[in-house]
Amino acid sequence: GAGVSQSPSNKVTEKGKDVELRCDPISGHTALYWYRQSLGQGLEFLIYFQGNSAPDKSGLPSDRFSAERTGGSVSTLTIQRTQQEDSAVYLCASSLAGGNNEQFFGPGTRLTVL
Amino acid sequence: GQQLNQSPQSMFIQEGEDVSMNCTSSSIFNTWLWYKQDPGEGPVLLIALYKAGELTSNGRLTAQFGITRKDSFLNISASIPSDVGIYFCAGGGSNYKLTFGKGTLLTVNP
Repeated sequence: GAGVSQSPSNKVTEKGKDVELRCDPISGHTALYWYRQSLGQGLEFLIYFQGNSAPDKSGLPSDRFSAERTGGSVSTLTIQRTQQEDSAVYLCASSLAGGNNEQFFGPGTRLTVL
Repeated sequence: GQQLNQSPQSMFIQEGEDVSMNCTSSSIFNTWLWYKQDPGEGPVLLIALYKAGELTSNGRLTAQFGITRKDSFLNISASIPSDVGIYFCAGGGSNYKLTFGKGTLLTVNP
């Protein structure tokens, strides 16, 4: 079946502009996660959605970052007033249920802020 | 917060050699997962371990969940060029969060 999809695959923007990144999880997966991966680094947790529960936003690095998940499926990660340090690969993952640790990742969106 | 130490940071091996990498933690985990990431792609789940002492194989890959629940290793036997990539370990607790290691970069010389 279809895996996690993300769009766009690449995004180049100018400092100060807003960007929106989209994630389409695996059908039937109730849990959705966003991570950030900087060059040569591991995965940094950003935010977690589980069903209709309030999201865990504890990993968002600043108030310029926000995320929504509409209808329990598609999610968008928004970065306002982008800065050069926001340049990274943004990965989305989904899992069957929040308590199941097997997370399946999308291909990521590579964000470059000039 | 929980920290994972993954080693080695990088490995350069000849095709056909066996490879071993491991992760250790000061905290106990309930789950150990191993992922592989190719350039420009997201991490792909290789093996999931759910029980202390569990030894699981997936083709040429073998992983073990340490008996103390604070460590795990991944072995790759008879490496081939397509094994090149970054391997990540991840530990799962009683909640949904995974803690990731910083990765092992594997290079296989044909």
